[in-house]
Amino acid sequence: DSGVTQTPKHLITATGQRVTLRCSPRSGDLSVYWYQQSLDQGLQFLIQYYNGEERAKGNILERFSAQQFPDLHSELNLSSLELGDSALYFCASSVEGAQETQYFGPGTRLLVL
Amino acid sequence: QQQVKQSPQSLIVQKGGISIINCAYENTAFDYFPWYQQFPGKGPALLIAIRPDVSEKKEGRFTISFNKSAKQFSLHIMDSQPGDSATYFCAASIKAAGNKLTFGGGTRVLVKP
Repeated sequence: DSGVTQTPKHLITATGQRVTLRCSPRSGDLSVYWYQQSLDQGLQFLIQYYNGEERAKGNILERFSAQQFPDLHSELNLSSLELGDSALYFCASSVEGAQETQYFGPGTRLLVL
Repeated sequence: QQQVKQSPQSLIVQKGGISIINCAYENTAFDYFPWYQQFPGKGPALLIAIRPDVSEKKEGRFTISFNKSAKQFSLHIMDSQPGDSATYFCAASIKAAGNKLTFGGGTRVLVKP
């Protein structure tokens, strides 16, 4: 158990809908990263937050957004969902500073029908 | 643009054998190179990591070899066990850019008893 929790574990929805994925980082970790894992694109970095502020952005679609709250949990919002958004979404957390280890959560499996 | 290329995509090794996975990177600004292990239904977990000022790092049965001039690094799994059957991902990151991970495509390893 990495100490990172993600909910829900599975999500089935329809095209055009909006969903919210939630992540709670390890106790004490200030950085949260979101990654998408799909068969065709592999594991791709989406976005990073550090202590509530956006730190880095990757190949995140404009239909997707995220935020990190004062209690450090993070949410990834996916809207106007398309079939191609079906994937595993992972959250990872790390302690800022010299330590670069990112601890991954169990993921949320999203299926868009 | 795939910045980290990983090979092979899959490999089968007998119990007790050596598994070797190779990665090549393009961006010379990368300064941290971790390997992650992922079991089905789980999030990636850090296995071992290396920085470019070191040519080799060993932890138990796992060894990373790093060739900075060739921009290549590899994972060796010695005395492979059936419990090592998993997907392995190499990755690279830049500390100054927030340590977002750029992953290779993954290698599915099957260790036959």
